[in-house]
Amino acid sequence: GNSVTQMEGPVTLSEEAFLTINCTYTATGYPSLFWYVQYPGEGLQLLLKATKADDKGSNKGFEATYRKETTSFHLEKGSVQVSDSAVYFCALRLNNNNDMRFGAGTRLTVKP
Amino acid sequence: DAGVIQSPRHEVTEMGQEVTLRCKPISGHDYLFWYRQTMMRGLELLIYFNNNVPIDDSGMPEDRFSAKMPNASFSTLKIQPSEPRDSAVYFCASRPAGRTNEKLFFGSGTQLSVL
Repeated sequence: GNSVTQMEGPVTLSEEAFLTINCTYTATGYPSLFWYVQYPGEGLQLLLKATKADDKGSNKGFEATYRKETTSFHLEKGSVQVSDSAVYFCALRLNNNNDMRFGAGTRLTVKP
Repeated sequence: DAGVIQSPRHEVTEMGQEVTLRCKPISGHDYLFWYRQTMMRGLELLIYFNNNVPIDDSGMPEDRFSAKMPNASFSTLKIQPSEPRDSAVYFCASRPAGRTNEKLFFGSGTQLSVL
């Protein structure tokens, strides 16, 4: 079936550290891939997306590249801030399907 | 736009009671989704509607759960009778029609605690 597996948390980093959160997917077709972020007490918000292989999504210093050969969409940021503390969800959606599949989420805590 | 509005924000109830969660999607959005978030299972899709019609309810855990969308601006998720294992955060999300409109807009969620 179609699913997303992401790195288990929690992840704790110091400010200005480099961040990687791994995400791999299984899909029967050609999905669009997403990263959503959930700040404390809020709903999920779209962070970035990529709709085809080799696309790079980017936003707020975060980046993720759609790698078809490794079925991955790892999230990276070169220098994290305390305000990046949140739960990050990798997700996929097949182009002919309205079902968005989310990973389990990875909690990131950034300490000053 | 006010975004997706969910109510109540928090609900505490006793086992066996009926619980009704409410959602107002963004005006003009054709799709409405109900998700449940737990520590054990992460974010699960329960059901979604297109133009007020339930399209896929395969994620609804059991017959105790039901969802309705009587009009384009309102949806409910009902649990009757509620059980402690239903404790979770329930999110409603909406999006416009069209293949390129893939972004989901989430409400702030309802934190449900069943004692």
